[in-house]
Amino acid sequence: DAGVIQSPRHEVTEMGQEVTLRCKPISGHNSLFWYRQTMMRGLELLIYFNNNVPIDDSGMPEDRFSAKMPNASFSTLKIQPSEPRDSAVYFCASSSQLAGSNEQFFGPGTRLTVL
Amino acid sequence: GQQVMQIPQYQHVQEGEDFTTYCNSSTTLSNIQWYKQRPGGHPVFLIQLVKSGEVKKQKRLTFQFGEAKKNSSLHITATQTTDVGTYFCVMSGGSNYKLTFGKGTLLTVNP
Repeated sequence: DAGVIQSPRHEVTEMGQEVTLRCKPISGHNSLFWYRQTMMRGLELLIYFNNNVPIDDSGMPEDRFSAKMPNASFSTLKIQPSEPRDSAVYFCASSSQLAGSNEQFFGPGTRLTVL
Repeated sequence: GQQVMQIPQYQHVQEGEDFTTYCNSSTTLSNIQWYKQRPGGHPVFLIQLVKSGEVKKQKRLTFQFGEAKKNSSLHITATQTTDVGTYFCVMSGGSNYKLTFGKGTLLTVNP
């Protein structure tokens, strides 16, 4: 199993540009999570999907952030327009409710720098 | 919102010394999970505790869940340089599978 796959691993962009982060969850997992990690705020849950449906997006900071999950094997997190304060590491994680444990498997993360 | 408080925030030890990190919640937890994140890496699941007073061991790591299910601890015996990283206690939301991460304890080990 390849684990959770994220792309790109690193992204450097200028303020005002659109940024799209991608995630492929572990096959068979029906829950997907997007997190943001910074030194100041730690690890924050942005949004999570269950069976491709957004269940809780209360962590999405503002309208500039949007997330989609068009199918069970793909999700995107988009920031438009990006701002320097969005600089962080963004993690995608997946889990399987059927496994009896809500252990989450994290991807390697995307390190975003907005100049 | 509901969250767990974790102490200490940082801990530096000499290799071979023991290490303990503590988590406390003001409310009763359904269960608690522990994750480890190596520097530059991603969080990795270590264990989940569910039962009141539960104690689980993984080699040199001992995890405890308090009797009241409001606190938990992770103890590492005879630390090694491979133990370096941030240890998170994570509050589980139960049926909705939502996790709330604490601030974590950063462990550094001097060889």
